[in-house]
Amino acid sequence: DAGVTQSPTHLIKTRGQQVTLRCSPKSGHDTVSWYQQALGQGPQFIFQYYEEEERQRGNFPDRFSGHQFPNYSSELNVNALWLGDSALYLCASSLGVAKNIQYFGAGTRLSVL
Amino acid sequence: EDQVTQSPEALRLQEGESSSLNCSYTVSGLRGLFWYRQDPGKGPEFLFTLYSAGEEKEKERLKATLTKKESFLHITAPKPEDSATYLCAVQATGTYKYIFGTGTRLKVLA
Repeated sequence: DAGVTQSPTHLIKTRGQQVTLRCSPKSGHDTVSWYQQALGQGPQFIFQYYEEEERQRGNFPDRFSGHQFPNYSSELNVNALWLGDSALYLCASSLGVAKNIQYFGAGTRLSVL
Repeated sequence: EDQVTQSPEALRLQEGESSSLNCSYTVSGLRGLFWYRQDPGKGPEFLFTLYSAGEEKEKERLKATLTKKESFLHITAPKPEDSATYLCAVQATGTYKYIFGTGTRLKVLA
């Protein structure tokens, strides 16, 4: 049973560029959440997708956007990259019910130069 | 504002030396509290979920407990392979997001 998979593993971009990160949820899960984890910090919630709609959003600017596909996989897009966007981006999948457990992927390490 | 505070920030133990990690939380209404383990460069690995005060969960050398204000992760007779960062998160009622603490970095020395 495949867990949550994310691609790519590592990514290097320069300021002002745009990036797309991808996530495939754990088998049987229909909900995907995205988190940003800076070095030495806990993950910060970006947004959650359920039934191809953004269900909840954290305190992140509109430069961060996402999409969920009919097969439940998801993308995170970040426009106009800043140096401060350098972080580990984590995808978590869960079932759409309220009391859900989120299972995380290994993350994508984004470096902005 | 909902928030999670973990202590200590870092902890060094000798192999076999039991200890506890603390997670204090402030939330309008608790839907669930979650413990994760994170190894360097990896994603968080789910350990436990607790839903109501008085609840306890155990797994091997780990035991998680919950009160109305805090949770403890007790580590009994730790081994070097228990070295990792332990993250605590809460989910408030009416929301779907997890709010994480900054974690406790545990190092167990052989």
